[in-house]
Amino acid sequence: EDQVTQSPEALRLQEGESSSLNCSYTVSGLRGLFWYRQDPGKGPEFLFTLYSAGEEKEKERLKATLTKKESFLHITAPKPEDSATYLCAVQGGGATNKLIFGTGTLLAVQP
Amino acid sequence: KAGVTQTPRYLIKTRGQQVTLSCSPISGHRSVSWYQQTPGQGLQFLFEYFSETQRNKGNFPGRFSGRQFSNSRSEMNVSTLELGDSALYLCASSLDWTNRETQYFGPGTRLLVL
Repeated sequence: EDQVTQSPEALRLQEGESSSLNCSYTVSGLRGLFWYRQDPGKGPEFLFTLYSAGEEKEKERLKATLTKKESFLHITAPKPEDSATYLCAVQGGGATNKLIFGTGTLLAVQP
Repeated sequence: KAGVTQTPRYLIKTRGQQVTLSCSPISGHRSVSWYQQTPGQGLQFLFEYFSETQRNKGNFPGRFSGRQFSNSRSEMNVSTLELGDSALYLCASSLDWTNRETQYFGPGTRLLVL
């Protein structure tokens, strides 16, 4: 069964303190791994899609990487506005296209 | 370009009642997916519609149902509400049901069952 596990559940950083969020997955035939950002009271906002091991994508202070078993979301010199819940999801290679989400990492960046 | 809209934004119901939630996708998007989000389970896929046909279905009881209209707007219905149905219900629209990069989420409907 497809499964996604995110760690840590919560992370508190000081402004400028870089760190990484982890997303471990088990899926039959990965079609894509997705990262979303969710602010309180809002729906998830798409950040990145990664398709194959070794792939990397960057957007401002965020960089997502992918291996055959996990993905990392690296946050470089975070700012308070980066505070949010970060969600990881996988799309498997079965007959359906549905996304399987992890439970997210709640990131708090203190000034 | 207007985003995904969901109505109502907040809803309070009692056990045993039924509820209907509405989702209007981004103009031109023909696929609508529904998710339930709870603190313990995270986002769980309910079902997806494309061109008025259900394409995918998650592992939820038959009390959860949905439909899509010819203008791509979608509704989901929950009958005989239970306390455990309290959650944020999110709708996401995309151009088609195979391309997840174009998937955009609405703000959600927060349902509280008393």
